[in-house]
Amino acid sequence: GAGVSQSPRYKVAKRGQDVALRCDPISGHVSLFWYQQALGQGPEFLTYFQNEAQLDKSGLPSDRFFAERPEGSVSTLKIQRTQQEDSAVYLCASSPRVIGQGTGELFFGEGSRLTVL
Amino acid sequence: GDSVTQMEGPVTLSEEAFLTINCTYTATGYPSLFWYVQYPGEGLQLLLKATKADDKGSNKGFEATYRKETTSFHLEKGSVQVSDSAVYFCALNKAAGNKLTFGGGTRVLVKP
Repeated sequence: GAGVSQSPRYKVAKRGQDVALRCDPISGHVSLFWYQQALGQGPEFLTYFQNEAQLDKSGLPSDRFFAERPEGSVSTLKIQRTQQEDSAVYLCASSPRVIGQGTGELFFGEGSRLTVL
Repeated sequence: GDSVTQMEGPVTLSEEAFLTINCTYTATGYPSLFWYVQYPGEGLQLLLKATKADDKGSNKGFEATYRKETTSFHLEKGSVQVSDSAVYFCALNKAAGNKLTFGGGTRVLVKP
């Protein structure tokens, strides 16, 4: 389809394992965001890419979280040595606009639900 | 910092009832305001937006007016349907950015 695609949709990890979550944004969208949504809460910003450049990573909760978008398209969010508090839905969103040009309409994927046991 | 507060759910209504979901915000400057909706099994999608004071956003029978004097952006619909059952999120972003700050979400359940 033409929307934002995320995989896997569901991931169960044992505490201490590394996980990688993938996001395929809408083709041509220059901006890409990752958000974390804990159960029963609103999404919280993690990081922002403009093309391949990671311009804002102020929301990443620790150095165990790492995101990349090497060719300015697909992005991967990696969490090392997962802990139980990392359990959440990780949302990817894209936009055809760059920061400073837009009015905040983001196109979201369905999310990757991570459960850390 | 910026924040958004919205009424907690769940809100349970009968079909054709009137729906209001309160949303207030704290932000410096002049943010744009949004309502996003998440239907069961789907991703967040933009429902409506307003970019300046007194603007009214509307879509699918929903409306919200940007009230700067009360820092509010309450969502309303005059006659809800079962298909409106979803989680609704109020959000803001600064004029110079696309980074959204979300409220905690309000689950709405409409019964036939």
